Amino acid sequence: GAGVSQSPRYKVAKRGQDVALRCDPISGHVSLFWYQQALGQGPEFLTYFQNEAQLDKSGLPSDRFFAERPEGSVSTLKIQRTQQEDSAVYLCASSPDEGAADEQYFGPGTRLTVT
Amino acid sequence: AQSVTQLGSHVSVSEGALVLLRCNYSSSVPPYLFWYVQYPNQGLQLLLKYTSAATLVKGINGFEAEFKKSETSFHLTKPSAHMSDAAEYFCAVGGEPYGNNRLAFGKGNQVVVIP
Repeated sequence: GAGVSQSPRYKVAKRGQDVALRCDPISGHVSLFWYQQALGQGPEFLTYFQNEAQLDKSGLPSDRFFAERPEGSVSTLKIQRTQQEDSAVYLCASSPDEGAADEQYFGPGTRLTVT
Repeated sequence: AQSVTQLGSHVSVSEGALVLLRCNYSSSVPPYLFWYVQYPNQGLQLLLKYTSAATLVKGINGFEAEFKKSETSFHLTKPSAHMSDAAEYFCAVGGEPYGNNRLAFGKGNQVVVIP
């Protein structure tokens, strides 16, 4: 079946531009996560949704980062006024339930380069 | 703060030799523990997970890991490396006290298999 998809796969933005990254989770999955993976590092948690509710946004690095999942399926991560330090791979993951032991299914990521 | 430690960013192993990747976590409460593998331009894929059942966990592709509470470790092993094992491997922890459903990842090990 279809896995988690993300678009675009690659995005180049000039410093100061706004970007929107899309995540299509596996159909029916309750939980959705966003992670940021800098070069040579492991993924770092950004935010978590349970259906349409954003239950944890403590990992968002600044108020320039905003995420939504209005209908409990597709999610968008928006970054306003991009900075060079925002360059990273942004990973989306979904899981079928809300349990902490559940496997998270990852998309291929969006590689954002800010010039 | 990093809650998972993976030593040695790059690990070289000869084809047919033992693969050993070390993972230590910091917690006074046994967490949920995961190993994920990432192939180039692909999302992270779950290899195996520990969720307080058997301490020796078997995963896909011949990998296994042993949870040792006294050592706060969850090292990953495979008896005989194959060329297809060349990838990046991440150890991750979840559950309280890491924060509900989020995962905290180590920095990863890039495994190179030498023919």
